[in-house]
Amino acid sequence: GQQVMQIPQYQHVQEGEDFTTYCNSSTTLSNIQWYKQRPGGHPVFLIQLVKSGEVKKQKRLTFQFGEAKKNSSLHITATQTTDVGTYFCAEGRDSGGYQKVTFGTGTKLQVIP
Amino acid sequence: KAGVTQTPRYLIKTRGQQVTLSCSPISGHRSVSWYQQTPGQGLQFLFEYFSETQRNKGNFPGRFSGRQFSNSRSEMNVSTLELGDSALYLCASSHGRGLNEKLFFGSGTQLSVL
Repeated sequence: GQQVMQIPQYQHVQEGEDFTTYCNSSTTLSNIQWYKQRPGGHPVFLIQLVKSGEVKKQKRLTFQFGEAKKNSSLHITATQTTDVGTYFCAEGRDSGGYQKVTFGTGTKLQVIP
Repeated sequence: KAGVTQTPRYLIKTRGQQVTLSCSPISGHRSVSWYQQTPGQGLQFLFEYFSETQRNKGNFPGRFSGRQFSNSRSEMNVSTLELGDSALYLCASSHGRGLNEKLFFGSGTQLSVL
């Protein structure tokens, strides 16, 4: 089935460096949700973007939704070891009146202290 | 408020057997979704239940089935297990059914098929 693509698949950064993951779709997205999964853990909801061009911030994390609603990005400023994990974008789409959430391929972030 | 609870946490089965996994959503949540997570395929949508009815289904064979009870608890069943079914099975609940509902995940059931 259709899957939202994320790049890069893996990223190693030195602690203090910035990190960005991109989420791309060939079709217009209804919304974008971002989740974080720590090693050995389960996905945890971070944020949701709905409007074209929307930008939201959570401390060192900045989330953007593209103007055409076909892409999104998550940027982390000055990474810390607590940022380690896999970041997933996910699209929630109406399917027969019910939301079907499809996850992207994920970006695994490793922070080197 | 208790989170999403999945049991068992770990399971080891052999090929050809069947397995049933359980998920108790957050109190008041009526939607339950199931996902299969493997290193190679990421998070794949299995199915979603709302008010005891399957509302959406992913691209999985008929060996994968599920149900939801009147208290919103859900079970998924995999019959005639194959080696490739080894994965982390995650359950997620949400309050309603509409767009923009965020998902709350359980800790998952790690299934190993030998």
